[in-house]
Amino acid sequence: DAGITQSPRHKVTETGTPVTLRCHQTENHRYMYWYRQDPGHGLRLIHYSYGVKDTDKGEVSDGYSVSRSKTEDFLLTLESATSSQTSVYFCAISEGVSSYNEQFFGPGTRLTVL
Amino acid sequence: AQSVTQLGSHVSVSEGALVLLRCNYSSSVPPYLFWYVQYPNQGLQLLLKYTSAATLVKGINGFEAEFKKSETSFHLTKPSAHMSDAAEYFCAVSGFFGNEKLTFGTGTRLTIIP
Repeated sequence: DAGITQSPRHKVTETGTPVTLRCHQTENHRYMYWYRQDPGHGLRLIHYSYGVKDTDKGEVSDGYSVSRSKTEDFLLTLESATSSQTSVYFCAISEGVSSYNEQFFGPGTRLTVL
Repeated sequence: AQSVTQLGSHVSVSEGALVLLRCNYSSSVPPYLFWYVQYPNQGLQLLLKYTSAATLVKGINGFEAEFKKSETSFHLTKPSAHMSDAAEYFCAVSGFFGNEKLTFGTGTRLTIIP
């Protein structure tokens, strides 16, 4: 299995509070991705990174920010959580561009915003 | 922009019967196509991928998919279903070589009837 961990695995928080999710990899892969998974929507890309300090927006980036200060860590921050951000969040990594390289997924973080 | 449509959010088949999961794509350029599987409470893992080398692609666990340009389809099949195949399956597309992102379908949940 690819060495990807996500923390925390479960979190319950209240509306308006900041939340940070962490993705850590031991594969030294260049690309890292944050997705959210919701019933009826499949996986939707929030943000991705193509190198240290290099990030870009995905399909559903509003309300989220990311940072990558080291190759192995990719942080997703919800500045002020809302109930619509209740979801399962997956981190993925890829050695190269997604058109030709497999994405490896972490175990997910289940976030509930009350 | 590229997209995929998965027909049928839920599919049930009897153990030993043919599995057919449908995926149609839309892409303005020759696509790169993928099938991923998600077992309960886990992240996604790659089943197979099409990268234009061969139209019939074989993957893990006895699954295969055929790329049909005339039908813009990339359906997933397995001749004989096993109880362990119960999972959610996602089709994904990357529209051109060098594309950093994948676009996922909404998923098909496969149930195996004993």
